[in-house]
Amino acid sequence: DQQVKQNSPSLSVQEGRISILNCDYTNSMFDYFLWYKKYPAEGPTFLISISSIKDKNEDGRFTVFLNKSAKHLSLHIVPSQPGDSAVYFCAASGTQGGSEKLVFGKGTKLTVNP
Amino acid sequence: DAGVIQSPRHEVTEMGQEVTLRCKPISGHDYLFWYRQTMMRGLELLIYFNNNVPIDDSGMPEDRFSAKMPNASFSTLKIQPSEPRDSAVYFCASKFRPWGNTEAFFGQGTRLTVV
Repeated sequence: DQQVKQNSPSLSVQEGRISILNCDYTNSMFDYFLWYKKYPAEGPTFLISISSIKDKNEDGRFTVFLNKSAKHLSLHIVPSQPGDSAVYFCAASGTQGGSEKLVFGKGTKLTVNP
Repeated sequence: DAGVIQSPRHEVTEMGQEVTLRCKPISGHDYLFWYRQTMMRGLELLIYFNNNVPIDDSGMPEDRFSAKMPNASFSTLKIQPSEPRDSAVYFCASKFRPWGNTEAFFGQGTRLTVV
């Protein structure tokens, strides 16, 4: 049973436009959400996170939105750059229960075309 | 800091052989995680340690897998005997959690091929 779902395996956008990557979760105990970026032959790299007490967190070109009632979060990249081409993973944890376990989605491959 | 260091980067072994993957976490980090990535299952947590003590090993697939953390700067993941279905990329990650939520830092992974 997948607790974190990224339903789009791939996304292609034009340089300079907005990229929107989506993620849904099923476990209402999750209270901390993260996005990681991964290039081929490298480990995942942390991008941005959000706590369940917030609905938006922004860091430069990257903004994460959280809709707790819909159990949905999204990552917006504006403007998109060719260097953003990578696989993006959504992850979630339920730290209030004392667990540090991070559950990952299967990833969305983003391609930004020049 | 050099980040999380994993060795080897690539490992090819024959079915039935013992495989040992190694990880050096970032100095000062008190949590260490072992993940496995496959096409079918994505990134799945195998086990994690806090202050060198295993906390959750519910993701370890079977008794052929074992993990140890003898000290704060070293951990191993052992597969004995290895099988072709163990072929995957294995990641080690570490984090420091003094208060609140923090992110985990990943190593570059070990690509394991069992033939």
